[in-house]
Amino acid sequence: QVKLLQSGAELVKPGASVKLSCKTSGFTFSTSYMSWLKQVPGPSIEWIGWIYAGDGGTNYNQKFKGKATLTVDKSSSTAYMDLSSLTSEDAAVYFCARGGRLFAYWGQGTLVTVSS
Amino acid sequence: DIQMTQSPASLSASLEEIVTITCQASQDIGNWLAWYQQKPGKSPQLLIYGATSLADGVPSRFSGSRSGTQYSLKISRLQVEDIGIYYCQQASSAPWTFGGGTKLELK
Repeated sequence: QVKLLQSGAELVKPGASVKLSCKTSGFTFSTSYMSWLKQVPGPSIEWIGWIYAGDGGTNYNQKFKGKATLTVDKSSSTAYMDLSSLTSEDAAVYFCARGGRLFAYWGQGTLVTVSS
Repeated sequence: DIQMTQSPASLSASLEEIVTITCQASQDIGNWLAWYQQKPGKSPQLLIYGATSLADGVPSRFSGSRSGTQYSLKISRLQVEDIGIYYCQQASSAPWTFGGGTKLELK
């Protein structure tokens, strides 16, 4: 069955960067779109962007350009998201999801805490 | 960006009651509307896509409808396992955007 396993919780200092991972199985990763989403208490969900694993093509929400960088490793069926120059505004739970527009499968989420 | 206005923000209902949640799009999104359910501490789960189509494995007591730019999610007979937060999402024009969520509790 489809599985998306995300990396563990991160505690990072303001100004630092962090790389989150999403290891997948149960479907053909190389022909799939993978999205990343941000959830903050409120509650509120924001779509960050998608990456097409086939050729690495990306589409970002303008709000997250310069903040998030999406990459994939087809050899390990893993998607990654780099978050740079972290501030308190970046503290959230981040989800990976299969799909570029609709999200039928989600990872379990990674909590990112930003604190000195 | 397309704004999705969801109501109510919270809702308390009894078991077996009919529950309706609505989402208003700020512009025409056609049938590019999805509904998700999120239980406490879990990831969101896709319930409805294409405004009215039930996702795999979703109980038939869930249904979706559309009237112009207003979309509705209906739970015909509320069950204990339906408690959680419900979100709408437009998938018509990037960036895809979500409603603010409806917290559904048992009365």
